[in-house]
Amino acid sequence: SQQGEEDPQALSIQEGENATMNCSYKTSINNLQWYRQNSGRGLVHLILIRSNEREKHSGRLRVTLDTSKKSSSLLITASRAADTASYFCAFYGSSNTGKLIFGQGTTLQVKP
Amino acid sequence: GAVVSQHPSRVICKSGTSVKIECRSLDFQATTMFWYRQFPKQSLMLMATSNEGSKATYEQGVEKDKFLINHASLTLSTLTVTSAHPEDSSFYICSATPAGQGAGGYTFGSGTRLTVV
Repeated sequence: SQQGEEDPQALSIQEGENATMNCSYKTSINNLQWYRQNSGRGLVHLILIRSNEREKHSGRLRVTLDTSKKSSSLLITASRAADTASYFCAFYGSSNTGKLIFGQGTTLQVKP
Repeated sequence: GAVVSQHPSRVICKSGTSVKIECRSLDFQATTMFWYRQFPKQSLMLMATSNEGSKATYEQGVEKDKFLINHASLTLSTLTVTSAHPEDSSFYICSATPAGQGAGGYTFGSGTRLTVV
């Protein structure tokens, strides 16, 4: 399966703490993306990191990419209760047909 | 920014009936749209790639006669679940990206919760 793997599957933290989610994949990639999904809703694109980048920031989000280890991490700093959601990494399959393959997701709960 | 509208957001139907789900790109043209299925507490699984003006490409294990896809215009793709059964109950999501944008971030519809009773 080309599907990415994420860990942890579930994460529960207190407001103000940092949350780190990890994603591993098996194929070669051009870029890796992170999405957020609130319960029962569609996905929102958070950030994209290209294969030649090692780190990228967007507000309270920090994404790293290690292509040698085929892994990426998403760090949310100073978490808020509103960050409670599921987070998915996604990347294009090796056949490069534009098909986005998703990781299994991490469910984050931020307690106020 | 790019907006994808998906309708309906929620539908309940009886076993044996068919349900049509629409996915529209509101402010851009999309030659390609993607349909995903998501079971509770699981990730998104790609079902098919919808190509404007041609046949959809289905992923392995997805029944093309059961999940009919039509992409008749550059702004509309439809997914019809035919002869629905309770096991078809799921969350269906479409996505698209403006033509020519390349391998960037996709915009997703808000999803359709299908319940077959």
